[in-house]
Amino acid sequence: DGGITQSPKYLFRKEGQNVTLSCEQNLNHDAMYWYRQDPGQGLRLIYYSQIVNDFQKGDIAEGYSVSREKKESFPLTVTSAQKNPTAFYLCASSPRTGGRSGNTIYFGEGSWLTVV
Amino acid sequence: AQKVTQAQTEISVVEKEDVTLDCVYETRDTTYYLFWYKQPPSGELVFLIRRNSFDEQNEISGRYSWNFQKSTSSFNFTITASQVVDSAVYFCALGTSSGGYQKVTFGIGTKLQVIP
Repeated sequence: DGGITQSPKYLFRKEGQNVTLSCEQNLNHDAMYWYRQDPGQGLRLIYYSQIVNDFQKGDIAEGYSVSREKKESFPLTVTSAQKNPTAFYLCASSPRTGGRSGNTIYFGEGSWLTVV
Repeated sequence: AQKVTQAQTEISVVEKEDVTLDCVYETRDTTYYLFWYKQPPSGELVFLIRRNSFDEQNEISGRYSWNFQKSTSSFNFTITASQVVDSAVYFCALGTSSGGYQKVTFGIGTKLQVIP
């Protein structure tokens, strides 16, 4: 089935460690996104990518890094520089960016990251 | 700047009651699009609807209906004859395009609890 797969669903990290969250999509979408969700808040954009080998910072990129070596994959690394990384992380994709009509963003099931 | 306001943080209704979730948006763009997403306890955001700024027609899909009014910058969502399965957090979002990038701003969400 087509969709967006995120792994792992739950991840525990010790302080000072980097962790990488995986995101794979088989929808043939050009654009991919990473959002962070904290309790009682909406989604905030971390990074986005419109094409392979290109990505831009979103609203809260500090302490995070990404890569886009393949169209299907957009992993997110939460580095030790991220001061408060405990959150729910959502990966998303859309057919293309921009355009008058815009395009719907579809989401994966999310990954819970907890710092212990 | 874009902004989405969902003034109702939590709503509780008894099963079979109708309920309306409010969404007010702000943007200076003349072309934009509006979304509603449902987030059940599992965490995944489920796309419900997208509406373009040049299409003010209201829409009905089964028990769901949406009322888009540009004059009041509102895009309200009504669930008729609510069911327990409707219990979730609902997000309203506003999208605009700039330089080929699709920027989507989410509200903080409205948590709906349908009591049997």
